[in-house]
Amino acid sequence: DVKVTQSSRYLVKRTGEKVFLECVQDMDHENMFWYRQDPGLGLRLIYFSYDVKMKEKGDIPEGYSVSREKKERFSLILESASTNQTSMYLCASRDMTQHFGDGTRLSIL
Amino acid sequence: LAKTTQPISMDSYEGQEVNITCSHNNIATNDYITWYQQFPSQGPRFIIQGYKTKVTNEVASLFIPADRKSSTLSLPRVSLSDTAVYYCLVGFYSGGGADGLTFGKGTHLIIQP
Repeated sequence: DVKVTQSSRYLVKRTGEKVFLECVQDMDHENMFWYRQDPGLGLRLIYFSYDVKMKEKGDIPEGYSVSREKKERFSLILESASTNQTSMYLCASRDMTQHFGDGTRLSIL
Repeated sequence: LAKTTQPISMDSYEGQEVNITCSHNNIATNDYITWYQQFPSQGPRFIIQGYKTKVTNEVASLFIPADRKSSTLSLPRVSLSDTAVYYCLVGFYSGGGADGLTFGKGTHLIIQP
């Protein structure tokens, strides 16, 4: 079974902090993704990566950046956290289907 | 990118068969149809994927008519644990790109005793 592991299930940070969310997959997938999920809005794609050091913007990239230095690891960075970035963040990797982690519930105070 | 439309919510009872239909009028020749299930506080989980006609696995069946402009996820004899949000996605899963990654709001299925 594919395993996608997100570093934290719950995280509380303060406005203006730089926040790192880490994701690791164990199936050598080339494609990895970051989504956020908010009530009533479904899952929205933030960024994705189809290879090491490659990244593409999704639907809502503003306020975020990503890093993919190794194939198995994809990091989401909130450069200066704001309260409107309080959300559930989901990481996924993909072969023919997407495999998700359990999510990080991030609160920005 | 093919857009999908599915009901916001559905109710059913334990032991019943539940069918959730997804419309995707702009589906492209190379597109596959994939369904995911999501429980609260968890990431979505793959249920089934198909290209045409019928696909069945141990969890569900997927019916796709000849014109492929819609698809129906069928859950046999549901139980309370099938209460979840179900997402229909359409896309071509090539080596890269964002195709088939738009989840939409899904269908909230509620199973009652």
